[in-house]
Amino acid sequence: DQQVKQNSPSLSVQEGRISILNCDYTNSMFDYFLWYKKYPAEGPTFLISISSIKDKNEDGRFTVFLNKSAKHLSLHIVPSQPGDSAVYFCAASATRSGYSTLTFGKGTMLLVSP
Amino acid sequence: DSGVTQTPKHLITATGQRVTLRCSPRSGDLSVYWYQQSLDQGLQFLIQYYNGEERAKGNILERFSAQQFPDLHSELNLSSLELGDSALYFCASSAGLAGGGGEQYFGPGTRLTVT
Repeated sequence: DQQVKQNSPSLSVQEGRISILNCDYTNSMFDYFLWYKKYPAEGPTFLISISSIKDKNEDGRFTVFLNKSAKHLSLHIVPSQPGDSAVYFCAASATRSGYSTLTFGKGTMLLVSP
Repeated sequence: DSGVTQTPKHLITATGQRVTLRCSPRSGDLSVYWYQQSLDQGLQFLIQYYNGEERAKGNILERFSAQQFPDLHSELNLSSLELGDSALYFCASSAGLAGGGGEQYFGPGTRLTVT
């Protein structure tokens, strides 16, 4: 039973264009969402997060949108750069439960071509 | 560099054996988490320790155990290894129970190959 789903295993985008990575969740207890980026042979790196009290959070080229009614979040990267090529994991946490464990999706491999 | 260190980087062992993976969290972080990433799978949460105490358990097999020591480093023990235990094992740390808003900082991982 996958509580966090990233339905696109891969995404190809041209440099300079927008990359949109999607994530769906099923557990209504999740109230904090994060995106991690992972390069080969490295551990995941925290990218950006959003609390369920917000519907948008921006950090430079990265924006995360949250649609609670649809249980959907997306990560927008504008403009995309070749260095953004990596696997992106969506993760969720139920912080009100008192636990800080993260539930991860299976990841989306983003390839940004020059 | 996340500040989280894991050793060894690679480990090759035979079925039925036992191995220990080691993790040192970021300076000052009290929570340590262990994750398993198998082929085609996302990161599966195994177990969390907070300041030496087990805090949360995920999909951890009974053959696996972990502990966190007074200096806050943690070890993950995997025993009676099976071929299916071959995976990347990541350790992560955070400042407190809920981290700095939930962020966890990951080590580079240990790649375990069971032959």
